[in-house]
Amino acid sequence: DAGITQSPRHKVTETGTPVTLRCHQTENHRYMYWYRQDPGHGLRLIHYSYGVKDTDKGEVSDGYSVSRSKTEDFLLTLESATSSQTSVYFCAISETGARGNTIYFGEGSWLTVV
Amino acid sequence: GNSVTQMEGPVTLSEEAFLTINCTYTATGYPSLFWYVQYPGEGLQLLLKATKADDKGSNKGFEATYRKETTSFHLEKGSVQVSDSAVYFCALTPNSGGGADGLTFGKGTHLIIQP
Repeated sequence: DAGITQSPRHKVTETGTPVTLRCHQTENHRYMYWYRQDPGHGLRLIHYSYGVKDTDKGEVSDGYSVSRSKTEDFLLTLESATSSQTSVYFCAISETGARGNTIYFGEGSWLTVV
Repeated sequence: GNSVTQMEGPVTLSEEAFLTINCTYTATGYPSLFWYVQYPGEGLQLLLKATKADDKGSNKGFEATYRKETTSFHLEKGSVQVSDSAVYFCALTPNSGGGADGLTFGKGTHLIIQP
């Protein structure tokens, strides 16, 4: 258990509304990530963070923004949700050890945009 | 760039059969390699990992060996159970960059085990 909590776990929202997903970690890891999972695409990186207020784009960042004002929280915001953003969103952290980095995932947030 | 290729399936086997799920990768340098498992409605769980050539990762009866000469990390299990039914993802992360690159995933292999 890597101490990752995502909220909400399930959400249905309307097209054009803003949505924020929250990822909370309890173990002070430096790197945090947001991925989305879609059939036929596997998991794709949206954004990641390497410290408080330090974030960068991933492979599929268009339409998403992130913020990290505290080490333990990493927020993903859809400013104006679209149907193409219906997906399962996973937060992850990177644990650095003697044998390299290992990435652990939260339980996921199922988002439906109608 | 980095990439991971794995058979997508679905792969359907009978209980107690031998399992192999192929995974090959393209990466510069010496990446770490992982297998994750996702049960229906759940998140991704780390199944096993290997960080250098010829390392063997193992967990819950599953094994995979890091083969640099063939750029492969095939997942094997000698006798599968119905409870192994899940989606399996092969992934890699570079060992440079301190974590900035995250993981590069294959598209996942859906495994179905029939009683």
